Amino acid sequence: GEDVEQSLFLSVREGDSSVINCTYTDSSSTYLYWYKQEPGAGLQLLTYIFSNMDMKQDQRLTVLLNKKDKHLSLRIADTQTGDSAIYFCAEGEGGYSTLTFGKGTMLLVSP
Amino acid sequence: DAEITQSPRHKITETGRQVTLACHQTWNHNNMFWYRQDLGHGLRLIHYSYGVQDTNKGEVSDGYSVSRSNTEDLPLTLESAASSQTSVYFCASSTSSVPDEQFFGPGTRLTVL
Repeated sequence: GEDVEQSLFLSVREGDSSVINCTYTDSSSTYLYWYKQEPGAGLQLLTYIFSNMDMKQDQRLTVLLNKKDKHLSLRIADTQTGDSAIYFCAEGEGGYSTLTFGKGTMLLVSP
Repeated sequence: DAEITQSPRHKITETGRQVTLACHQTWNHNNMFWYRQDLGHGLRLIHYSYGVQDTNKGEVSDGYSVSRSNTEDLPLTLESAASSQTSVYFCASSTSSVPDEQFFGPGTRLTVL
């Protein structure tokens, strides 16, 4: 079945860049997503990328997709303490399909 | 503003009891989902629905059931609660457009003693 793998923990200093990595196995994935979960809350969509794209930039966020290696990354520039959260990678085919989530990467930003 | 709510937010119950967790959305979304979140396992899909009277099993559906009698609600029932079902439960909803952004509720923390 589909599988999505992420590293579990990342610690950075405020102002540095953060890079969170994800690998997935389902070659039919149409969309790849990054969700953010703040403490005590549900998940919120942060950004997504269509599978025929290599890169997407959205303000401080850059998503890179290597479809050949099935590798997805999320770069957060100028990381702030408010970015401390759990980040989930997810893949899906869009429309009437379910999402498969990774286990989540806990990002800790220290002042 | 449209939203998705869950109740109760915290629940403590005993092994063997039936428990129902409520999920209500005002987005008018066709699709609704139930997940559980556990340390070391991330987010796992329990059941989902693509519309009224439609329900489907997810990855970890044993011991859980859902019913969809209207667009707004998808209650999750634990028929006979077990300690292994102690978890945080999230409800989500989405349209069938692409990309299919899921909107999540705030979660219900369930403890089964």
